[in-house]
Amino acid sequence: EIVLTQSPATLSLSPGERATLSCRASQSVSSSLAWYQQKPGQAPRFLISDASNRATGIPARFSGSGTGTDFTLTISSLEPEDFAVYYCQQRSNWPPTFGQGTKLEIK
Amino acid sequence: EVQLVQSGAYVKKPGESLKISCKGSGYRFTSYWIGWVRQMPGKGLEWMGIIYPGDSDTRYSPSFQGQVTISADKSISTAYLQWSTLKASDTGMYYCAKTSFYDTSGPGPFDSWGQGTLVTVSS
Repeated sequence: EIVLTQSPATLSLSPGERATLSCRASQSVSSSLAWYQQKPGQAPRFLISDASNRATGIPARFSGSGTGTDFTLTISSLEPEDFAVYYCQQRSNWPPTFGQGTKLEIK
Repeated sequence: EVQLVQSGAYVKKPGESLKISCKGSGYRFTSYWIGWVRQMPGKGLEWMGIIYPGDSDTRYSPSFQGQVTISADKSISTAYLQWSTLKASDTGMYYCAKTSFYDTSGPGPFDSWGQGTLVTVSS
C-alpha cells in the first residue's frame, strides 16, 4: 500500500499570503494524484485531479504540481474561505489511499 | 445537478447490524462508480471500496475486505454500505462519493460527495 505523507501537519498563514502544501508518496504514483479540501462539518470537496488539473468551478488561485513521488498544492493568495484541511489521494496503486491531511489555519 | 443523499445518523450497539444508504440523482446512476470513505472522529479520510451499479462489480480496500459489504440497487439509484456485526471501532462518519471514470490507473478521484452518515457504536 502506498503511503502518502503530507507536510506540514499544520500551516498558519494570513489571508493574502501564499500557501504551499506538500504530499510525498512512498513510491511513484506517476501523475495519478488528487487534492481535496474539507471544512469542519462538511464533506470533502474535490479540487484537483491528475496532479495539476483543476476541477470544475475551482478558483484559479488553486494550482497543483508534481509527478512521481513529490507533489505540491499551492494557493496563490489565501481567501478567508480557504482555511480548511487539505488531503491528497493517489489512485495509481491498489488500494487508493489518502494522506493524513494538512490543516491550513489562520495566523 | 449531481446529488448524493445519504441516510441519517445511527446509534447502534456492538454486535448489531446496519445498512446505510446513498441515493444518487442528476446523472445516470448505472454509469458511474460509487465509493465509500470512512472518517473516524477527529481523523483523516480512508478509502474503503467502490461499486459499479451497472453490473455490481465491487472492489474493496484490503483494510475493509470482509469487514463491510458494498452493494447497489440500480432500480432505485441507491448504493449501500453494511455491517453484519458492528464494533465500537466502526464509529465514524461515512461518506459516499462518485467518480467519473475508472481507467488502467484505477478509479478516478471522487468528484461528488454525499453529506455523510454518522455511525456511533456504543454499549
